[in-house]
Amino acid sequence: DAGVIQSPRHEVTEMGQEVTLRCKPISGHDYLFWYRQTMMRGLELLIYFNNNVPIDDSGMPEDRFSAKMPNASFSTLKIQPSEPRDSAVYFCASSLEGRGRFFGPGTRLTVL
Amino acid sequence: GQQVMQIPQYQHVQEGEDFTTYCNSSTTLSNIQWYKQRPGGHPVFLIQLVKSGEVKKQKRLTFQFGEAKKNSSLHITATQTTDVGTYFCAGPIQGAQKLVFGQGTRLTINP
Repeated sequence: DAGVIQSPRHEVTEMGQEVTLRCKPISGHDYLFWYRQTMMRGLELLIYFNNNVPIDDSGMPEDRFSAKMPNASFSTLKIQPSEPRDSAVYFCASSLEGRGRFFGPGTRLTVL
Repeated sequence: GQQVMQIPQYQHVQEGEDFTTYCNSSTTLSNIQWYKQRPGGHPVFLIQLVKSGEVKKQKRLTFQFGEAKKNSSLHITATQTTDVGTYFCAGPIQGAQKLVFGQGTRLTINP
């Protein structure tokens, strides 16, 4: 079985541009999570979905960030407009209720 | 605020030595999870502990959950170069699905 799939793996963009990160969770998992990892702040939960419904987005830093999950096999995290401080590794993870998280390989975002 | 603290932040050992990382929560946890992240990689789920005082082993790795369910430890016996990476504990402090991750312990090994 394929694990969590993320694209792109690397993204370099200029400040002010829109960035869209994509995630395909493990089939059958009913929870999907978006995390951001930086040296300064560690691993932070941005938002999570249960059965495609956003449950908690309190970790989303600003209105510039938005996430959607139109179906059970696809989610996006969008940053518009992007800023240099958004540079980080963004991970998508999925799980069954009460179980461990299965992380994707991550998207390394650099905003110039 | 409620958080999960891990010590030490860094640990360098000689291959063959033992290694332990400790995790402490400001609140009682319903469970604790451990993850390993290799350099340049993504966190990989290792184990979940649920019961007070629980001890689980995975080959050379021993995981413990404290009696009060506020602390946990990961012990690696006779480290190997494949053990290199950062080890994170995580607990559902702010809701069952909202795992809060510790800052991790980065393990490096001298072969």
